[in-house]
Order: sequence, then structure tokens, then C-alpha cells
Amino acid sequence: AQSVTQLGSHVSVSEGALVLLRCNYSSSVPPYLFWYVQYPNQGLQLLLKYTSAATLVKGINGFEAEFKKSETSFHLTKPSAHMSDAAEYFCAVSEGNEKLTFGTGTRLTIIP
Amino acid sequence: NAGVMQNPRHLVRRRGQEARLRCSPMKGHSHVYWYRQLPEEGLKFMVYLQKENIIDESGMPKERFSAEFPKEGPSILRIQQVVRGDSAAYFCASSPGTGALEQYFGPGTRLTVT
Repeated sequence: AQSVTQLGSHVSVSEGALVLLRCNYSSSVPPYLFWYVQYPNQGLQLLLKYTSAATLVKGINGFEAEFKKSETSFHLTKPSAHMSDAAEYFCAVSEGNEKLTFGTGTRLTIIP
Repeated sequence: NAGVMQNPRHLVRRRGQEARLRCSPMKGHSHVYWYRQLPEEGLKFMVYLQKENIIDESGMPKERFSAEFPKEGPSILRIQQVVRGDSAAYFCASSPGTGALEQYFGPGTRLTVT
């Protein structure tokens, strides 16, 4: 069965600082991995996805994530945080069965 | 190209009433998924449908909940005899078909049961 663990339900970083949001997964087959962002009272928007091609995946808004099989991780990073990055971030895994399993989310706060 | 549409955006029901949530997928998408988000939690898969077929309903509660995606019209998530614990945000997502890995999410319907 597939599962996702997001370490840190709340993360605060200063504007301009590095953003690092952690995600570890469990999957019985090679996984597909996703990061979604949710702004208040809105739906989820896809940031980036890993589909067994390049292990370093670049997404929208300057975010990227690296798939590390040995660590079963797919951490999300951004070199320099912007105020507009404040939102909730969800990591998700799929085993190709059309069902996404989400982590519990990380709320990112940007300190001016 | 319009995105996934959900209505209503907010729905208030008294305990025991029925709730009907609608989802129109993106144009050209034939696969629909419903997820539930409880307060302070991530999204939980409920059901996956194609036109006129339920493919996977492993996340649906066994009672009071049903879903359909008719040949014509939107997908409907129906909750009968709502209880306070049904209060949540319900999100619909769509994808163009098997092998498409991305799901595109609607804005959600926030159900409040009083």
C-alpha cells in the first residue's frame, strides 16, 4: 500500500531564505510523486511531478524536488522564499492506479 | 479552457438532510475523482469514476454516500442523512484518461452540517 509522510506540519522561513519541505513515501512499486499547493479556500494546484524520468524535477514558481530512491524521499525546495509562497503544500504518491494518496500537508509561513 | 467546476462552493445542511455536490470535469476529461478533506488533514481518496462506471470506490463510506458520473451531465456526490462528521471540504479532480498521471482539481465544496 502507498503512503506519504510529511515531516513538519508548520514551517516558517524568512523572505529570501531557502524553503525546504520534507516528504517521504512508501510504495510497493516504483512510484509517481507529486507536490500540490493549496491557497486558502481554493483547490489544489500541481507544482511538479516525478514520473520516473529525471530525478530532479523542476516545477512552477521556482520550486523543484529531487527523487531519492535510497531515502524514499521527495523533498520540495525553493532557493529564495517569496511572500506569495505562503500556502499549504501537499505531497502525494500514486502507484499508477489513478488513486492519489496525500500527506497531511505542511503550512508554509513566510516571515517578512 | 475552463477548469474543473464544482458547485455549490458552500453548502449548509441540517442533520438528516441530503447533500448533493456537483462536479463538471475539464473539457475532454473522462475520469473523475472525489476526495474529502477534513479540517487540519490531507485529502483522502473517496471514489474514481469514468462515464457511467464506478472504477474504484474503496474510499467511500459504506453507508449514506454514493457517486455517479452519467453519460450526460456532471458527476454527483450524494450524501444522505448527513451528520456533523460529514462537515468537510469535498474536492473533485479530473484527468483525460488512463495513463494520464496528473489530476486537475476543482475549487471544492465546503459542506457544513448544523
